[in-house]
Amino acid sequence: QLQLQESGPGLVKPSETLSLSCTVSGGSISSSSYYWGWIRQPPGKGLEWIGSIYYSGSTYFNPSLASRATISKDTSKNQFSLKLTSVTAADTAMYYCARNTIVVSSTKLNNWFDPWGQGTLVTVSS
Amino acid sequence: SYELTQPPSVSVSPGQTASISCSGDRLGDKCVSWYQQKPGQSPVMVIYQDIKRPSGIPERFSGSNSGNTATLTISGTQAMDEADYFCQAWDSSTYVVFGGGTRLTVL
Repeated sequence: QLQLQESGPGLVKPSETLSLSCTVSGGSISSSSYYWGWIRQPPGKGLEWIGSIYYSGSTYFNPSLASRATISKDTSKNQFSLKLTSVTAADTAMYYCARNTIVVSSTKLNNWFDPWGQGTLVTVSS
Repeated sequence: SYELTQPPSVSVSPGQTASISCSGDRLGDKCVSWYQQKPGQSPVMVIYQDIKRPSGIPERFSGSNSGNTATLTISGTQAMDEADYFCQAWDSSTYVVFGGGTRLTVL
């Protein structure tokens, strides 16, 4: 059974860089069928996709966060990581990692996230 | 940028059918997924590719998508279905987009 677990500091100072990792067990991030993504949720609010990385290392990002976000992977640890620079209080959120499946059919591009990690709360405060 | 609109809240009586809508421009031309999130828990996918149910998701959950609206339907709603529900789609300009979420209350 595939499981994902986020880890990283729970408190980050404004203007600094947020760094999180997601450790995958029960499957390999090197699988050619999947992307691996990050999604966040500010307290009491909705979901916001941050970005995803393919097994090949190619990435795609939410245009609103692309200038500050980087996603990388470490296949030896079966982990992928998120860095978000120049954080502000608006970046305070629960951060989730998830497997991101993309399937192109004849008529539609199918895209979904399953399963999700349990999430880690990151607070931006001095 | 592409947007998905959901009603903030929906109420249903136990045993009745709940319908949660998700609206977007020509949404029927895109594939929609739905996620259930209970308080203090991470989201769980309940519908993908408009109509498919992952293994382990009860048959009472179903989806449809046509025109500008996708709908998540829960037949015979149970108290355990009380949760926030989010729709999600792919758009060529914004890539992944989520709806704002709907709180389902089972009265």
